[in-house]
Amino acid sequence: EAQVTQNPRYLITVTGKKLTVTCSQNMNHEYMSWYRQDPGLGLRQIYYSMNVEVTDKGDVPEGYKVSRKEKRNFPLILESPSPNQTSLYFCASSPLGGTGELFFGEGSRLTVL
Amino acid sequence: AQSVTQLDSQVPVFEEAPVELRCNYSSSVSVYLFWYVQYPNQGLQLLLKYLSGSTLVKGINGFEAEFNKSQTSFHLRKPSVHISDTAEYFCAVSEGRPGGFKTIFGAGTRLFVKA
Repeated sequence: EAQVTQNPRYLITVTGKKLTVTCSQNMNHEYMSWYRQDPGLGLRQIYYSMNVEVTDKGDVPEGYKVSRKEKRNFPLILESPSPNQTSLYFCASSPLGGTGELFFGEGSRLTVL
Repeated sequence: AQSVTQLDSQVPVFEEAPVELRCNYSSSVSVYLFWYVQYPNQGLQLLLKYLSGSTLVKGINGFEAEFNKSQTSFHLRKPSVHISDTAEYFCAVSEGRPGGFKTIFGAGTRLFVKA
């Protein structure tokens, strides 16, 4: 089954404790992206990647890091989480030569105390 | 600059009534348009998309949308809603960029279907 898998789905952590949210897709998509969803703001792009070893900032990259060492994986790293990073996070993928139609993971709800 | 405005943050409606969720966008280039639906505690899934051709596009679950280039709108409609349509709906615009594309989402419209 074609899918985007995120882990963990739910996480409560404390300020400053590094964490990683994993994302993996099995559709051989070149493009992968991370979004955060906040009430009234819709989805805002954090980082994206056009292919292996190619990443770039989205609209709200502060406080986040990413890496793309393999085509299928695109982890999101919060080196020192803060309460304003409490949010619902989505990973998405897409074939690069397509229309921009995105395939989403189920989401990861992160709470930073 | 590319932007997407969903004109209603919440839309309450009774079951079997028609509904329209409004979306306006701005872009200086040709775009692809999408509606995604997010059911409670789930990720987003594609409802329908406009790429080119006929301005009326049909999607899953009886939804349809009409692309209006002159008004830069892409409103979503359903003639008769069900309780199970209760969800959040996102309008999105994708435009080509060197090496790929850029997708911008609206703030979302929460549809409440009441019995």
